Amino acid sequence: DVKVTQSSRYLVKRTGEKVFLECVQDMDHENMFWYRQDPGLGLRLIYFSYDVKMKEKGDIPEGYSVSREKKERFSLILESASTNQTSMYLCASRIRGFYGYTFGSGTRLTVV
Amino acid sequence: EDQVTQSPEALRLQEGESSSLNCSYTVSGLRGLFWYRQDPGKGPEFLFTLYSAGEEKEKERLKATLTKKESFLHITAPKPEDSATYLCAENTGGFKTIFGAGTRLFVKA
Repeated sequence: DVKVTQSSRYLVKRTGEKVFLECVQDMDHENMFWYRQDPGLGLRLIYFSYDVKMKEKGDIPEGYSVSREKKERFSLILESASTNQTSMYLCASRIRGFYGYTFGSGTRLTVV
Repeated sequence: EDQVTQSPEALRLQEGESSSLNCSYTVSGLRGLFWYRQDPGKGPEFLFTLYSAGEEKEKERLKATLTKKESFLHITAPKPEDSATYLCAENTGGFKTIFGAGTRLFVKA
């Protein structure tokens, strides 16, 4: 079965810490995405990558950066965590183009 | 502005009581309309992709249909395990996908 694996289900970090969220897919997908999901705001796109070493900003990139050095791995970095970044973070991948996503299980991040 | 609107926000059904969820989209030149199921605390799970008006897809008790302006997710004789949030999403071309806010479905035994 194809999989998108996020490294942590739950994380608690302190304000100002640098936080790394890791995502790995085993499907040889070209495109990878990072979303955050908040009650009442739905899914919002933070960053995406359409190929290795390529990245594009989504709708809410401020305070985040990403890295994709290998095709299967897409990392989200919170440069200096703040309480308003407390959220559920979802990684997704798709083979390319107009196909549906495969999502990971999500990382619930709490910044205190 | 492109948007995807789902209704109702929440739907409560008795086991066996069939119903439909609605998804309206506004983007012209549809590139793909997607349905996902999301259980609490988990990532969305892909269900269906529809590409053109008149297309239908089925999986167990679920059937998704598409017109030029709307998609419906029909649930036939639902069971309690069908309780979840159902998300509709539209590919707007390129790398952008717009998600609706979801319909929370509760099925009571």
